[in-house]
Amino acid sequence: NAGVMQNPRHLVRRRGQEARLRCSPMKGHSHVYWYRQLPEEGLKFMVYLQKENIIDESGMPKERFSAEFPKEGPSILRIQQVVRGDSAAYFCASSPIRDREAFFGQGTRLTVV
Amino acid sequence: DQQVKQNSPSLSVQEGRISILNCDYTNSMFDYFLWYKKYPAEGPTFLISISSIKDKNEDGRFTVFLNKSAKHLSLHIVPSQPGDSAVYFCAASGPNMDSNYQLIWGAGTKLIIKP
Repeated sequence: NAGVMQNPRHLVRRRGQEARLRCSPMKGHSHVYWYRQLPEEGLKFMVYLQKENIIDESGMPKERFSAEFPKEGPSILRIQQVVRGDSAAYFCASSPIRDREAFFGQGTRLTVV
Repeated sequence: DQQVKQNSPSLSVQEGRISILNCDYTNSMFDYFLWYKKYPAEGPTFLISISSIKDKNEDGRFTVFLNKSAKHLSLHIVPSQPGDSAVYFCAASGPNMDSNYQLIWGAGTKLIIKP
């Protein structure tokens, strides 16, 4: 049973480009969470999704950021028109039960140049 | 507004001694607490959790204590080993006025085990 898979591990984008981060949850997990870790800071919740539904996106910036978890395929975190301040590590986690222990992927480190 | 606080950014402990990591929270609605461990360039790994109906949970070298009246929890690692050197995050869960679900995280404490 593979763990949570995130790709790419590292992503470099120029200002104004789009970044697409992928997350495949653990088998059998229908709850997916995205977190962002800025340098020298803790994890910040961004969005919580179940299959085909966004349950809670209260931590996600209102503009340029979107997330989806389609019926088939991985969850996608999409950042349009990236800016330098978007540079961070983005972690995806999944859990079999809402609101309890989540298993994390290794993260995608986004660098905006 | 930091609902979960880890006031010590770092902690240095001698190998073999006890490591105590602390976490304070402000929201009395939190009913479940978790500790995660994170190595550089890796995702956090779940370590141990505790429900608000308990005041102690033990798993091998790791014990979490919860003091609800003080809104404080701590993670004890004994004996500390070099492989325990990592950043430890405290997280809390429960109903939130603003959202249906949110795991609230502390900023982390970097634990360094000295040989």
